[in-house]
Amino acid sequence: RKEVEQDPGPFNVPEGATVAFNCTYSNSASQSFFWYRQDCRKEPKLLMSVYSSGNEDGRFTAQLNRASQYISLLIRDSKLSDSATYLCAVLFSGGYNKLIFGAGTRLAVHP
Amino acid sequence: DVKVTQSSRYLVKRTGEKVFLECVQDMDHENMFWYRQDPGLGLRLIYFSYDVKMKEKGDIPEGYSVSREKKERFSLILESASTNQTSMYLCASSPPQRGRQYFGPGTRLTVT
Repeated sequence: RKEVEQDPGPFNVPEGATVAFNCTYSNSASQSFFWYRQDCRKEPKLLMSVYSSGNEDGRFTAQLNRASQYISLLIRDSKLSDSATYLCAVLFSGGYNKLIFGAGTRLAVHP
Repeated sequence: DVKVTQSSRYLVKRTGEKVFLECVQDMDHENMFWYRQDPGLGLRLIYFSYDVKMKEKGDIPEGYSVSREKKERFSLILESASTNQTSMYLCASSPPQRGRQYFGPGTRLTVT
């Protein structure tokens, strides 16, 4: 089993739709969680951190479910500019803290 | 704003050549990382460093080495480039214990 798993998609949605992605992780001792956005041929950029209580930033909502070991990202009122690949990242504790990335979920928003 | 820069955006090298990829960050971060990214495989950690002159192997270190002589600079070296090292190489840095990583723009390396 991979340490961090995501559905690769693509998720094809119309503008204005609500779309949600999940990301499962294997290490129950994981401490920190993040969502990154990566545009085609560009570097990943932090979209938001994921807190235990959940957090919201405009149209984006991130949630953590420790019992089931997954994080989620909800995008409301999708825009064309939201088209990108969304990577989840999980901080695994160990001798050195290590950030493990999922392979990403591709989102395509169409008119 | 944190800035992570990489020496080249695109690079074409021949099989057997020695290749140097340079990464510089300007935020005095202790931690620096080298990843490669391939379609369907996501980001894979090659090497990382938590201090000057310190290095640790990541998940796929074979065929690579690194150098960190100064805090702001972390170099990835392909001792003898091979075609299976054609990939996008991403450098990242982070403050200690914080998790969040800041990425450079990436170097798309093609080995022919």
